[in-house]
Amino acid sequence: KQEVTQIPAALSVPEGENLVLNCSFTDSAIYNLQWFRQDPGKGLTSLLLIQSSQREQTSGRLNASLDKSSGRSTLYIAASQPGDSATYLCAVRPDTGNQFYFGTGTSLTVIP
Amino acid sequence: ETGVTQTPRHLVMGMTNKKSLKCEQHLGHNAMYWYKQSAKKPLELMFVYSLEERVENNSVPSRFSPECPNSSHLFLHLHTLQPEDSALYLCASSQGRGDEQYFGPGTRLTVT
Repeated sequence: KQEVTQIPAALSVPEGENLVLNCSFTDSAIYNLQWFRQDPGKGLTSLLLIQSSQREQTSGRLNASLDKSSGRSTLYIAASQPGDSATYLCAVRPDTGNQFYFGTGTSLTVIP
Repeated sequence: ETGVTQTPRHLVMGMTNKKSLKCEQHLGHNAMYWYKQSAKKPLELMFVYSLEERVENNSVPSRFSPECPNSSHLFLHLHTLQPEDSALYLCASSQGRGDEQYFGPGTRLTVT
């Protein structure tokens, strides 16, 4: 069974700092990996989707990378802003079946 | 309405009640999902529907009963729930089963 881990569980940074969030998974046979943000009490907002054949995806100040062989993905946030404060979740879809496996998330606080 | 909507947003029910959660997607997607999010735990996939056919049932207790009458609507019928069923229930949709998922805002369920 795929296990997804996100470290650290919580992170606090001053505004303007560049930061990296980590996601690791135990089985490299994945179809894709998706990064989300979740604001308190709300649903998930999709940030980036990386297919298994891709190495990275970019959207604005966000850049997600994927290293399948080592079972790792990172989400890079440039020039962080207070509005980036949220919980960031990664989800892995295996090659086969209909499952999605989520990490427990990293809670990010950007201090003005 | 755009995206994925869920009603009600909050629900309090006793253990003997019967209620239903509703999800509607306005994205023209073919796959829909129910997830359960409990505190300090990863999102748990409950059910997957593809083209109105249930393709995944993750050993969910029979007190949860999904229904997908068409590709735009998904219901979760609840009966004789337990207090440990209290959680945020999230609906999502995607174009195909492996594609980028879009989430609704969730229903916060409290079982008393």
